Amino acid sequence: QQQVKQSPQSLIVQKGGISIINCAYENTAFDYFPWYQQFPGKGPALLIAIRPDVSEKKEGRFTISFNKSAKQFSLHIMDSQPGDSATYFCAAPVKYGNKLVFGAGTILRVKS
Amino acid sequence: NAGVTQTPKFQVLKTGQSMTLQCAQDMNHEYMSWYRQDPGMGLRLIHYSVGAGITDQGEVPNGYNVSRSTTEDFPLRLLSAAPSQTSVYFCASSRGTTGELFFGEGSRLTVL
Repeated sequence: QQQVKQSPQSLIVQKGGISIINCAYENTAFDYFPWYQQFPGKGPALLIAIRPDVSEKKEGRFTISFNKSAKQFSLHIMDSQPGDSATYFCAAPVKYGNKLVFGAGTILRVKS
Repeated sequence: NAGVTQTPKFQVLKTGQSMTLQCAQDMNHEYMSWYRQDPGMGLRLIHYSVGAGITDQGEVPNGYNVSRSTTEDFPLRLLSAAPSQTSVYFCASSRGTTGELFFGEGSRLTVL
């Protein structure tokens, strides 16, 4: 059973637009919520992560927003660029075992 | 800067054959893990290890074995391959269970 639900499955955004990907989790062992980015033929790589003593973290054009009461967090990509076209995964640590569980992934395509 | 190295990159097996996917990291990370990636399923944890001599099961361990005799190496063994094990396999390592995961470039396995 999937403990991290990610949406949408795919997303097409115009260059310069905002890309938004959402994740919802069930129970977690601790508060650490990363987003990974994966290009075709490559392994995923950490994009940005939040440890929610804050509700938002921004790194350049990428922002994580976190809503602890709703058990949801989201990735916002501002001024989306064709080079951002990739698959994005959210993850959360499961309640038992301190292991990261990944969402199903979102395929983002930014049209130029 | 080798990071996490996986071999082979591609492999075709017949049902019932066995094989080992190799994974090595040169970052002196204690934590290593194996994931499989399937369309629409995200990354699912197969097995993980928190240090040499210590392994444990993830979400989808059936049909796979692992061992961890050294800090650097974490091979994944398929004892009797089945078509359901056709997937892309990723090895990852991190300094701890809550730190950034560093992924290899993946091993694409096809079981006929």
